[in-house]
Amino acid sequence: GQSLEQPSEVTAVEGAIVQINCTYQTSGFYGLSWYQQHDGGAPTFLSYNALDGLEETGRFSSFLSRSDSYGYLLLQELQMKDSASYFCAVKNFNKFYFGSGTKLNVKP
Amino acid sequence: DADVTQTPRNRITKTGKRIMLECSQTKGHDRMYWYRQDPGLGLRLIYYSFDVKDINKGEISDGYSVSRQAQAKFSLSLESAIPNQTALYFCATSDGDILNGYGYTFGSGTRLTVV
Repeated sequence: GQSLEQPSEVTAVEGAIVQINCTYQTSGFYGLSWYQQHDGGAPTFLSYNALDGLEETGRFSSFLSRSDSYGYLLLQELQMKDSASYFCAVKNFNKFYFGSGTKLNVKP
Repeated sequence: DADVTQTPRNRITKTGKRIMLECSQTKGHDRMYWYRQDPGLGLRLIYYSFDVKDINKGEISDGYSVSRQAQAKFSLSLESAIPNQTALYFCATSDGDILNGYGYTFGSGTRLTVV
């Protein structure tokens, strides 16, 4: 089976940096993805890591350590529009299993 | 027009009724998925299909069935709806391409309430 753990809620101020962690247990790991979901909206794809290390896309970066079964999403220069839920998801062969999500509150 | 379209957007139905949620996509992707989202539980996979003749159960398929009518259409049915099937349902597609990070494209969701 699969299990993923991420904090339920994180609060940070505008302009700051925040890190959202994800630890996972799975049989057959292919990679780790991150998705953003605004209230009432559809999840949108942010990143995918198959190999260890840091992947950077603009203000967002994603990190993976396969040996530690751990990854994180790093958001820099936080903006109010970054207030949303963030989900990590493990790829198990040909499908993804999602964590329960981290609600990020960005305050002025 | 949206790449992945789900209908209806909202639906209230009675316990025991049969209901179908529809999903169509214009992305040309072979892989389609149905997920259910409940507060605090994230997204859970119900069924998935990699082509018209391929249907696979996910984590929580009991009480649900699917039909892949064409590459672009994937429907989810609740044969006899029950209140604990009240949830937000998402359809997603993927081209399965590693260069795109295997990213899903989600529809806007169907909010289903069973009373």
